[in-house]
Amino acid sequence: NAGVTQTPKFQVLKTGQSMTLQCAQDMNHEYMSWYRQDPGMGLRLIHYSVGAGITDQGEVPNGYNVSRSTTEDFPLRLLSAAPSQTSVYFCASGRGWNTEAFFGQGTRLTVV
Amino acid sequence: SQQGEEDPQALSIQEGENATMNCSYKTSINNLQWYRQNSGRGLVHLILIRSNEREKHSGRLRVTLDTSKKSSSLLITASRAADTASYFCATEDNYGQNFVFGPGTRLSVLP
Repeated sequence: NAGVTQTPKFQVLKTGQSMTLQCAQDMNHEYMSWYRQDPGMGLRLIHYSVGAGITDQGEVPNGYNVSRSTTEDFPLRLLSAAPSQTSVYFCASGRGWNTEAFFGQGTRLTVV
Repeated sequence: SQQGEEDPQALSIQEGENATMNCSYKTSINNLQWYRQNSGRGLVHLILIRSNEREKHSGRLRVTLDTSKKSSSLLITASRAADTASYFCATEDNYGQNFVFGPGTRLSVLP
């Protein structure tokens, strides 16, 4: 049972480049979300999904897109990378917001 | 919008001592969760306490919840070097659809 798998673990982008952070879970969870973690700020919600075909914005959605075509996958797209998007990104899944969340190991992204 | 706020920001103790960290939040909640994050890793769920519960135990962890004071505490007894990590509390956001994390308490347990 792999849990929540994020790829890649590390990535360096140039300003203006686009890329997709992958997230997959094998626990049949309906709820999936993306957070970014910056020093001293905890985790901030970027986008979330309560099921296949349903996505919504979190606290800091600008510059990011998501889609949820299957229950298992929830990719996060950076449209045009900016240095302000340098951060550690975490994907999480769960049965709902009021139950425990399972986190991936994170993607450390640097935009230069 | 940040709901929970942990206190202290950093805590350093000797192995074998107890560690207590606190979380305060602003609006009423249905439940509160605590997570641990080891350096460079993802968050791991520790315990969930519901609003109608006052205390919950899990191994060496004890969580209390005081809804009248809008606060929770996490006690780790007989700490070990392996407990060195950041600890986060998570509560519901204003829409009751997601949970929101505080900035965390960084715990260092010295051997």
